[in-house]
Amino acid sequence: DIQMTQSPSSLSASVGDRVTITCRASQGISNYLAWFQQKPGKAPKSLIYAASSLQSGVPSKFSGSGSGTDFTLTISSLQPEDFATYYCQQYNSFPHTFGQGTKLEIK
Amino acid sequence: EVQLVESGGGLVQPGGSLRLSCAASGFTFSSYAMSWVRQAPGKGLEWVSAISGSGGITYHADSVKGRFTISRDNSKNTLYLQMNSLRAEDTAVYYCAKDLNYYGSGGSDFWGQGTLVTVSS
Repeated sequence: DIQMTQSPSSLSASVGDRVTITCRASQGISNYLAWFQQKPGKAPKSLIYAASSLQSGVPSKFSGSGSGTDFTLTISSLQPEDFATYYCQQYNSFPHTFGQGTKLEIK
Repeated sequence: EVQLVESGGGLVQPGGSLRLSCAASGFTFSSYAMSWVRQAPGKGLEWVSAISGSGGITYHADSVKGRFTISRDNSKNTLYLQMNSLRAEDTAVYYCAKDLNYYGSGGSDFWGQGTLVTVSS
């Protein structure tokens, strides 16, 4: 199975900041990577697929990059509604494993 | 508008069975793969199972293989997860998710609201 490792596990930032979350795959997955946002008690929301393609309706403040084993999610100009937990998921091969999550908190 | 509505969760004793359903609307159901993903209380997301658009190809995580079965009825626009021999560690919120393509190689774009399964005596 492909292991997905996110860093950091938690992150404190202020409104207006720009933050970057990293996801590393244990083997190459081309660009078969998605990012999700989850708020407490809610279902995950899809943000990005194919490593860098924005899902419909997702604001351009979210951006993804990477290929192979190393990927990043960048969120610019943080707003209060952006504070949540973020997950990466590889779908290059089954099982479609998730990273452990990165909790983004308000400083 | 795409909608996914899960149902069938509840309290079940260890060793028991439960069948989850996910009613889909707002898209051509048979054209897309579907998945089940779960989240234990206070934990991260865990991929459970996936099924192709026709239902002819299925995948299951090792943790549920031989106990859970994913299926779909395209005439009813409904996805299922039959869960047998349930264990305490299966306690979680179960989400269904729509894939971006037919085979399950596109990533998920829409998720249901989830249904809670609690395995306890």
